[in-house]
Formats: sequence, C-alpha cells, structure tokens
Amino acid sequence: AQSVTQLGSHVSVSEGALVLLRCNYSSSVPPYLFWYVQYPNQGLQLLLKYTSAATLVKGINGFEAEFKKSETSFHLTKPSAHMSDAAEYFCAVSPMDSSYKLIFGSGTRLLVRP
Amino acid sequence: EAGVTQFPSHSVIEKGQTVTLRCDPISGHDNLYWYRRVMGKEIKFLLHFVKESKQDESGMPNNRFLAERTGGTYSTLKVQPAELEDSGVYFCASSQVSGRGGYTFGSGTRLTVV
Repeated sequence: AQSVTQLGSHVSVSEGALVLLRCNYSSSVPPYLFWYVQYPNQGLQLLLKYTSAATLVKGINGFEAEFKKSETSFHLTKPSAHMSDAAEYFCAVSPMDSSYKLIFGSGTRLLVRP
Repeated sequence: EAGVTQFPSHSVIEKGQTVTLRCDPISGHDNLYWYRRVMGKEIKFLLHFVKESKQDESGMPNNRFLAERTGGTYSTLKVQPAELEDSGVYFCASSQVSGRGGYTFGSGTRLTVV
C-alpha cells in the first residue's frame, strides 16, 4: 500500500527565512502528488500538484515543490517565510489504481517567528 | 461560487448518542468524498460518491457509520451509536471530475464524543 511520510510534525522558522517541509512517498510508479494547507478554522486548500508535466511545480503564495523520483521525495519550499504562512501543511498522493483517493501524510505545522 | 459547506462546525455528544454530519458540495460537482482525521493523525479516506451512488466505501470504519447522498446533492454521514474513538475532524470534499486530487474541501466538522 502506498504511504506518505512527512518528516517533522512541527517546523519553526523565522520570518524571512527559508521554509522547507519534507515529504517522501512510497510507490513503484510515480503517482500524482499534492500539497494542501490548512489555515486555522479553514478547510484544506490545494497549494500545488505534480502531474508528471514538470518536476518543479509552482503553487500559490510563493510555494514550490520539486519531484525527485530517485529520492521518492516531493519537498515543499518557500524562499522567504511570512507570518501568514503559519498553518498546517499536508502532503498527499493519489494512487494509480484508485486515483479518486488521496493518501495523506500526518501533516507538518509551520510556526513563523517574528 | 459557493464552496463546500459542512454542518455543524462543531459537535459534542455523549457516547452512545447519534450524530449526523452534513456536507453541501459545490453545485454541479458529481463527486463527493468524506475524509476523517482522528487525534492529529493522518487524514484518511472514508468514501466516495458519484452522484447518489457509493463508488468506494472501503474506508468506512465499521457499520456504525452510514453515509447517504439522496438525489445526488448534499450528503450526510451518520454515526450511530457514537464511540469515544470516533472523535476527530470529518472533512468533505467535492469535484467535477474524479481522480487526480485537486478537490475542494470544506472546513470540516469537529466531532467530540465524551
């Protein structure tokens, strides 16, 4: 069964610092990959998705993620953190054999220090 | 365009009681999904509707959970009788086409069973 691992349940950065949230997936075939964000008291919002068109994917709010097949990774980055980026971030995979499903990682809560 | 709406936003019930959660998808979205996040763990798939038909309910925990989507519009998820381990956040999502993520999620219903 496919799985998604997010390293670090909490990540703390200073405002203006690089944001790096890690995600690794287990799959013999590159699946579709996603990053979702949940701001306080809101639903899950799609940040970006990888659909095999390009390995570097740009999303909303200045975030981007790079698909690395050799490392089975899809880490999320942002060059400069803003206070408004404080939220919980979820990496997810859509299995090839049941593409309507999303399999989520356990989430990483991003804290941004002034 | 209105988003995915879930009612109630919070519910606190006693063990053994019945609770019904409701999800109103985006108008015109044939695909509706229920997910659940328990105790800060992964968000897990519960089931998938296409219009009024259940396409996959493999994620439903047990027969205390019943999902319906009469008429292919809004959906309800009933838990009867509720147990302590049912506490968590229940998310609903909808999409026009099935597969490959990118769904629109609601804000979730936080269910607490005491």
